[in-house]
Formats: sequence, structure tokens, C-alpha cells
Amino acid sequence: GAVVSQHPSWVICKSGTSVKIECRSLDFQATTMFWYRQFPKQSLMLMATSNEGSKATYEQGVEKDKFLINHASLTLSTLTVTSAHPEDSSFYICSARDISSGNNEQFFGPGTRLTVL
Amino acid sequence: DAKTTQPPSMDCAEGRAANLPCNHSTISGNEYVYWYRQIHSQGPQYIIHGLKNNETNEMASLIITEDRKSSTLILPHATLRDTAVYYCIVRVPFNTDKLIFGTGTRLQVFP
Repeated sequence: GAVVSQHPSWVICKSGTSVKIECRSLDFQATTMFWYRQFPKQSLMLMATSNEGSKATYEQGVEKDKFLINHASLTLSTLTVTSAHPEDSSFYICSARDISSGNNEQFFGPGTRLTVL
Repeated sequence: DAKTTQPPSMDCAEGRAANLPCNHSTISGNEYVYWYRQIHSQGPQYIIHGLKNNETNEMASLIITEDRKSSTLILPHATLRDTAVYYCIVRVPFNTDKLIFGTGTRLQVFP
């Protein structure tokens, strides 16, 4: 149980295009999902908190108009990187909080590697 | 959430116990200690958490000092598949959902 998937697992795109990354909780409902970014040899950095049915909350320094987050259902959140540039190349990871878990635990997806040419 | 300090890297021989330390001297009374690990190019994986008592599960043991200012994650019989970056995080689980990752410890298990 408690499986989180991401799609795609990797993507290569041209500079200026937009890329959508999906995060799904496969066997549980998640009112809250989180998006992280990880550059090579660095730690995970929280980008935003995605709440089902409401606007996402972005961390300081993260451009909300560049990283669009939609959380339309209890099992799906999407991150769209708009007008991607090479500096947006990174490993994007989502996590989902299992609302039925007494421990309030988060489960992580496998990550999506974005390369912008 | 309190900050944590971990050594940047450690080595361990396969089959031996790996003891990963974490300092969290500013931890407050209601903050738990969580451990996650991240194998290369994968998402983090939950390992264990505790408040003040030592904890054990199928993956590891967590030893928290009496003053709660530090803890040690123990992998009793490390395997090559345990090579990963290990993160120690302190937080109040029902007060905040945020997981703030530090730099972690890169554990290399060698044959």
C-alpha cells in the first residue's frame, strides 16, 4: 500500500516549452501533496504544498506563475513547468500525505527527471 | 522545525552494523525524529521515527539520547543495497506537514 507514482519518469524538452508532471496516489487519498526539486548532489528543496480543491502554497523564492500546480482530485496533483529553460533542468519529486494514516505520513514518488535543452 | 546536523559521508563494510548519527540540539518537546533515505535517482523512503523511546522496525533501529539532543540510526547488517543518502528530520507530525531536508549523510556500503 501507500504507493505514489509520477509520470513521466523522465522528459527532455526544448527551451521555451511547457512540461506537465503528474503525481498520483495509487491506493490512498491525499488531500495534501508536496512538490520538491533536487539539483545534482544537493538535497531536496520543497517548492510548494498542493491542497485538493484550493490554491497551492509556494515556498519563498518559488515563482508560482512559472510552476503551476493543480490538485483537482484526491489522487492527482500536477506540476507544470511553463516556458522551461535549461536552469529548470532538475529532478522533481512529489509526496502525498495519507489522510487515513494515523501517523500523518508522507509517501514519495519515484521522481521525474527534466532536461531542458 | 529544529535543524539537524549530520556527517556528510560514512563508509560501512557489508554485513556490519551502520551507525548514522544526527545532532538536533534545539529540538523541542513535541518534535519527533524522522529518518528517510534516498537511493540514487529515486524518491526518498521512510525508515523510522520516534519521540523519546528507542524504536525498532524491520529496517532499522533508532536510538534517541535521554536529553533528545541527538539520535543514531542503526542498520544492523548493512547490505550493498543500503548505499544511499540518509536524512534525519525533526518535526511535529500533526502540526506541520512540511519535511525540510538537510544535507544528509551519504552512506557507502562496500563489499
